[in-house]
Amino acid sequence: GEDVEQSLFLSVREGDSSVINCTYTDSSSTYLYWYKQEPGAGLQLLTYIFSNMDMKQDQRLTVLLNKKDKHLSLRIADTQTGDSAIYFCAERDSSYKLIFGSGTRLLVRP
Amino acid sequence: GAVVSQHPSWVICKSGTSVKIECRSLDFQATTMFWYRQFPKQSLMLMATSNEGSKATYEQGVEKDKFLINHASLTLSTLTVTSAHPEDSSFYICSARKRGDAYNEQFFGPGTRLTVL
Repeated sequence: GEDVEQSLFLSVREGDSSVINCTYTDSSSTYLYWYKQEPGAGLQLLTYIFSNMDMKQDQRLTVLLNKKDKHLSLRIADTQTGDSAIYFCAERDSSYKLIFGSGTRLLVRP
Repeated sequence: GAVVSQHPSWVICKSGTSVKIECRSLDFQATTMFWYRQFPKQSLMLMATSNEGSKATYEQGVEKDKFLINHASLTLSTLTVTSAHPEDSSFYICSARKRGDAYNEQFFGPGTRLTVL
C-alpha cells in the first residue's frame, strides 16, 4: 500500500533555513501537500505541489519535488520561533484520499 | 473562506458511555467529509469517508458499529463513539471537501480531544 515517511525531528536556530524531507511510494500521486499542526490544533494547509512540477515557491516556503526518487522537501527560509510545530507531508492517492507521513517536529531555538 | 468547525473541542467521559462529535462546514457545502484519528505523537489515520445522504465508507480495521458516522446534510457530519473505552482516547479530526471543488482540497477542523476514563 501507499506509504509516506518523514524524519521525526528537526532543530534549527532562529533565522536559519529549515529543510524537512519526505519520501512517498505512490507514483500515481497527483498532488502532494505540506500541512502544519500546532499543539492541540487541527491541520493548516501550507502549500501543495502538482506532480508535474519540480518546484514551487510561496514567500518563505519552497517545495522541491523529485518525482523520479519520490522525494519531496519543504524549505522554510528565515525560520522563526512561530514556525515551531509539526509538519506533515501528504500525498493524494487515486481515490482522492490523503495519506499522511508521520510528521516532523520542528523546534526553532532562539 | 473555507472554515470547518468541530464541537466539542474536548470531552471527557466515563468508560461505556457514548460520545457524539460534530463537524460543520461553516461557509460552504461539503459533499464529502472525512474523519481521522490521531494518537499522541503519531500521524493522522483516516477512519472513514462520508458522503452526504449515503452510508460512510470505513477504512480497514475501523469498526463501523463502534464509530457511527452520519452525514445528514451538506454542512454537518457527526461521529459517535459508542461504548467508549480508554483505548478510544484520541484526537479526532474531521475535514471537508467543497462541493464542486476541482482541486478536491480538504479543509480541516480544529480537532476534538476525547479522553475516556
